[in-house]
Order: sequence, then C-alpha cells, then structure tokens
Amino acid sequence: AQSVTQLDSQVPVFEEAPVELRCNYSSSVSVYLFWYVQYPNQGLQLLLKYLSGSTLVESINGFEAEFNKSQTSFHLRKPSVHISDTAEYFCAVSRSGGYQKVTFGTGTKLQVIP
Amino acid sequence: DTAVSQTPKYLVTQMGNDKSIKCEQNLGHDTMYWYKQDSKKFLKIMFSYNNKELIINETVPNRFSPKSPDKAHLNLHINSLELGDSAVYFCASSQAGQSNNEQFFGPGTRLTVL
Repeated sequence: AQSVTQLDSQVPVFEEAPVELRCNYSSSVSVYLFWYVQYPNQGLQLLLKYLSGSTLVESINGFEAEFNKSQTSFHLRKPSVHISDTAEYFCAVSRSGGYQKVTFGTGTKLQVIP
Repeated sequence: DTAVSQTPKYLVTQMGNDKSIKCEQNLGHDTMYWYKQDSKKFLKIMFSYNNKELIINETVPNRFSPKSPDKAHLNLHINSLELGDSAVYFCASSQAGQSNNEQFFGPGTRLTVL
C-alpha cells in the first residue's frame, strides 16, 4: 500500500519570501506524484505532477517540485510567494500505469503574511 | 462550461434525515469519485465508480449509498444522518484510459448536520 506524509500542517511565510512544503511518500512500486492546491471554499486543483522523465516539474504560477527517488520525497518550492498563494496544499501519490487509486496527504496550510 | 459540478453547495439538515448530493461531469471521463473532507482538511476517498461500476468502497457505513445512472453522474445518498457526517463532500472524475490518474474536483458540498 502507498502512503503520503506531509510533516507540516501549517507554514507561515512573509510575502516575497521563499517557501518549501515537504512531502514524503512510501510505495514499493513506481509512482506518480501530484501536488493539488485548494483555495478557500473551493475544490482541489492540480498544481503540478510527476509521471516520468525529468525529476523537476514546474507549474505555470512559479511553483516547482522535485522527485527524489532515493529520499522518497516530492517537496514543493516557490522562490517568492504572493498573498494569493495562501491556500491548502495537498501532496498525492498513485501507482503508475492505468487506473490506480490516488492517496492524498493530510495537507499543508500555506499562510502568506503581508 | 463547468467541468465537475455538485448540487447543492450547502446542505443543512437535522439528525436522522435522509439527503442526497448530486454530481455531474462534462469531461467525458469514465471514472468518478466521492471524497469526504473533515474539519481538519483531511481528504478521504469514499467511493469510486468506473463505467458505472463500483471499484472502490473504503469502509464507509452502509448509510452511504452511491448511485451512478451513467458515466457522467455519480450521486451520493445518505440515510439517517449523524452529527459525524458533517463535512465537505467532494466529487471528482478522471479518465482511466489516461495513464496519469489526474483527478478533476468539483467545488464541494458543505453538509452540516444539526
């Protein structure tokens, strides 16, 4: 069975500062990894994903995540956050290939302070 | 042109009542899901249907009964509502034929049981 651990439930950071949201996973087989974002009172939206190939993946709004197989991690980073980045961020994992159940982490609340 | 829609957005009801939440997706996906998000934002899968057939049932009380009349709809009926059922319920969809398991979420239904 696969699992996801997000160690930080809340991360406060000042506007324009860098941020890292941590995600570790466990699985005995190849995986796909995802970061979803949930803005207040909304559903989840896919932010970025790793399926294969380059271990560094980027989103259109400046976030990036790096797949590290040896450390079983998929940390999310942004060099300079904006107030509008305030949201809940969920890391998720599934086994690779075809239909597979997606397991979500417990979420990290990113609070950007003006 | 909403991709995944849910009705109602808010639902307030008394203990013991029976209620339904509806979900529709216009993405042409063949797999749909129901998730429960509790007050701590923990997201837990409840059910998954692929081509109208139940493929995931995650130890959910049998008071919860999903129904999929066609691939575009997955409704959730809840009997004898309890206080602990208060949560936000999210519907999601994906295409099993695609190998990336990306899920698209609805806006959520906030259920409050009094």
